[in-house]
Amino acid sequence: EAQVTQNPRYLITVTGKKLTVTCSQNMNHEYMSWYRQDPGLGLRQIYYSMNVEVTDKGDVPEGYKVSRKEKRNFPLILESPSPNQTSLYFCASGGQAYGYTFGSGTRLTVV
Amino acid sequence: AQSVTQLDSQVPVFEEAPVELRCNYSSSVSVYLFWYVQYPNQGLQLLLKYLSGSTLVKGINGFEAEFNKSQTSFHLRKPSVHISDTAEYFCAVSRGTSYGKLTFGQGTILTVHP
Repeated sequence: EAQVTQNPRYLITVTGKKLTVTCSQNMNHEYMSWYRQDPGLGLRQIYYSMNVEVTDKGDVPEGYKVSRKEKRNFPLILESPSPNQTSLYFCASGGQAYGYTFGSGTRLTVV
Repeated sequence: AQSVTQLDSQVPVFEEAPVELRCNYSSSVSVYLFWYVQYPNQGLQLLLKYLSGSTLVKGINGFEAEFNKSQTSFHLRKPSVHISDTAEYFCAVSRGTSYGKLTFGQGTILTVHP
């Protein structure tokens, strides 16, 4: 089954403790992206990747890092999380013609 | 730069009634347009997309949308809604290229009452 898999689904952490949210796709897509969803703001792009070793900032990249060492994986790294990063995060892969496929989301709470 | 405005944050409607969720976009270049649905505690699912061709696009679950270039709109419609259509709906736009950033609207919560 074609899918984007994110882990974990839920995460509660403390301010400043580094964490990684993993994202993996099995569709051989070149393009992958991370979004955060906040009430009333819709989804905003954090980072995207056009291919292996090619990444670029989206609209709200501050406080986040990404890497793309393999085509299928695109982890999101928060090196020093803060409470304003409490949000629902989505990974997506695909392209225009396919419509993007989204993961099930990771609900992150930073206390 | 591109932007999307969903004109209604919440739309309540009774079961079997028609519904229209409004979306306007702005862009200086040609665009692709999408509608996604998010059911409670789930990810986003593609409802339909407009890439080119016919301006009336049909999607899953009986939804359709019409691309209106002169009014820069892409409104979503369904002639008769069900309780199961209760969800949040997102309009999104991207540049008309192979890959591009999806810019989302703020979302419209559709609540279908019995």
